Amino acid sequence: GQQLNQSPQSMFIQEGEDVSMNCTSSSIFNTWLWYKQDPGEGPVLLIALYKAGELTSNGRLTAQFGITRKDSFLNISASIPSDVGIYFCAGQLESGGGADGLTFGKGTHLIIQP
Amino acid sequence: DGGITQSPKYLFRKEGQNVTLSCEQNLNHDAMYWYRQDPGQGLRLIYYSQIVNDFQKGDIAEGYSVSREKKESFPLTVTSAQKNPTAFYLCASGPLSGNTIYFGEGSWLTVV
Repeated sequence: GQQLNQSPQSMFIQEGEDVSMNCTSSSIFNTWLWYKQDPGEGPVLLIALYKAGELTSNGRLTAQFGITRKDSFLNISASIPSDVGIYFCAGQLESGGGADGLTFGKGTHLIIQP
Repeated sequence: DGGITQSPKYLFRKEGQNVTLSCEQNLNHDAMYWYRQDPGQGLRLIYYSQIVNDFQKGDIAEGYSVSREKKESFPLTVTSAQKNPTAFYLCASGPLSGNTIYFGEGSWLTVV
C-alpha cells in the first residue's frame, strides 16, 4: 500500500538537544498522527492533527499538519532520556475510504547518547 | 480502566499449529485492526473490521483468520499456512471514521 517517507531513519543526540523529524508523501492526507513506541510495547498516540496548517503541542512535543496536506513534522524540545524510542507518523489518505485506517511511516529511532 | 487488552504477551508456536491471539477493547470503538510488525518494516495491516460479523483483508492477510462476534472482541488466528509467523502483533481500535487508532500493548509470537 501507500507508504509515507519518514526521516530521519535514526537520530543520535545528546540529552537536552532539540529533535526534529518529518513525514512526506506525494498524496494528500486528511489526518496526521504521531506515535511513540517503547521496546516491546504498543505505539502510544502523542499528537493528532485534523486540519491543514494546524500546530499542536503536547508538553515538549510540537507537531504541525503541513499546509499542502502532504507532510507533517514533529519537534521535541530539550530531550530527556525517556524520549528514547521509535516515533511513527501516520496519516489517513484523502483518497481512501477510511475503513482500513491509517498509512504508517517506517519510524524514526531516537537514541540519546550519554 | 479503558483500553485495549491483548493476550498472551508471549506465545510460542510449534510448526503446523494454529494459535489465536486475543484482543478486547472497552472503548466502545466500532473499528478494530490487526497489524504485524517486523524489524525495519514498520506496521503492516493484516485484517480490519468495522462492524460485528464483518471484516476485510488488509495487505498481508494470507495465513491469518479473524472473527468479530462481539463489538469488543477481535481475535486473530495465525494458521499453519502462515510461513513466517514470528513477529510482534498489534491490535488496535478506533472510531468508524478511521482517522484515529489506538493500540494495545502487543503480543510476541515465536515459532519453535
